Amino acid sequence: NAGVTQTPKFQVLKTGQSMTLQCAQDMNHNSMYWYRQDPGMGLRLIYYSASEGTTDKGEVPNGYNVSRLNKREFSLRLESAAPSQTSVYFCASTEAVWDNSPLHFGNGTRLTVT
Amino acid sequence: SQKIEQNSEALNIQEGKTATLTCNYTNYSPAYLQWYRQDPGRGPVFLLLIRENEKEKRKERLKVTFDTTLKQSLFHITASQPADSATYLCALDYPSGTYKYIFGTGTRLKVLA
Repeated sequence: NAGVTQTPKFQVLKTGQSMTLQCAQDMNHNSMYWYRQDPGMGLRLIYYSASEGTTDKGEVPNGYNVSRLNKREFSLRLESAAPSQTSVYFCASTEAVWDNSPLHFGNGTRLTVT
Repeated sequence: SQKIEQNSEALNIQEGKTATLTCNYTNYSPAYLQWYRQDPGRGPVFLLLIRENEKEKRKERLKVTFDTTLKQSLFHITASQPADSATYLCALDYPSGTYKYIFGTGTRLKVLA
């Protein structure tokens, strides 16, 4: 039982390059999330998927796209990377059935855009 | 707009003492408030959840209070240990009653031996 798995762990991009961050969970959770974490800013929600086939914008969606490929996988795409997107990206999931529904996080992807 | 505030300054305490961390929010009434622990280089890990109609919740050495009038949650770690050193984050459901969560910036706790 791996929980939430994110790939890659580290990535360096040049400005304007594109890439996709991958996330998969093996807990049969309904909802999945992408957050970014920057010093002094805390975790900020980029996109949210309540269930397979649905996505919703969070606090900072500009410059990102997402795909909920199936119940297990939720990917985050940067079409044209900018230095402002240098951050640590966390994927999370939750069962979203009961009210006591905590988030389970992966260990993050550290992205640097030069 | 919704805002969550946590002490941005690091909190240093002596081993064995009680650590108290604060989470304040404005402009809104959440249905739930959660606390997470984050170690360097790792994702946050869930600790406790408290509902709007609960005043207090305990789990082993941890205690959370929720004052909806003051719009504040306090997180206590009793008999603190160096292993409790980490960053602690609070999170709220936003909009209220949904599974979308927004986070505070976190407070770094260091327990000194």
